[in-house]
Amino acid sequence: DGGITQSPKYLFRKEGQNVTLSCEQNLNHDAMYWYRQDPGQGLRLIYYSQIVNDFQKGDIAEGYSVSREKKESFPLTVTSAQKNPTAFYLCASSILSPGTRGNYGYTFGSGTRLTVV
Amino acid sequence: SQKIEQNSEALNIQEGKTATLTCNYTNYSPAYLQWYRQDPGRGPVFLLLIRENEKEKRKERLKVTFDTTLKQSLFHITASQPADSATYLCALVGGNNRLAFGKGNQVVVIP
Repeated sequence: DGGITQSPKYLFRKEGQNVTLSCEQNLNHDAMYWYRQDPGQGLRLIYYSQIVNDFQKGDIAEGYSVSREKKESFPLTVTSAQKNPTAFYLCASSILSPGTRGNYGYTFGSGTRLTVV
Repeated sequence: SQKIEQNSEALNIQEGKTATLTCNYTNYSPAYLQWYRQDPGRGPVFLLLIRENEKEKRKERLKVTFDTTLKQSLFHITASQPADSATYLCALVGGNNRLAFGKGNQVVVIP
């Protein structure tokens, strides 16, 4: 089955540590996204990528980094510079301009819950 | 500033009735709007897309309307079932072609 896989499901980070969240898709989608979701908040865009080896900052990129070396993969690193990293992280993928070429939306993974201990 | 507003209070509704959710937006001129369903601890799932030149879109028991004059979309679940209990997110495309999401509106269907 085609889909998008995030791992791990739960992650614990110590103060001052960098951690990397994995996101892999086999949908042949060009675009991939990272969102952060906090209780009572909407999804906030961290980074997005529309093509291999290129990515753009979203609304809350500070303290995060990404890479897009393969079309299928878009890992997110939460660095020690991120002061409040405890949150639910969601990765998504889509075709380019999904609303202009049919009835397409974003496909989301099942999320990674990151907790600072 | 740009805003997407959904009711923060949960909608409690009796099984079999129609649930109606509202999404209002300001300072956007979206070419299209989407609705997603999110269950606790899971990622959102895409439900429907409606374009600015479409007044209404249906999918099974779901109906979405889009009024660009009122800057509002309504999302209806007809003949609601307990399995419809979830949070529903409105999302619309901004000028930079990126999706912006509302905070979501929880629906609780009471058997």
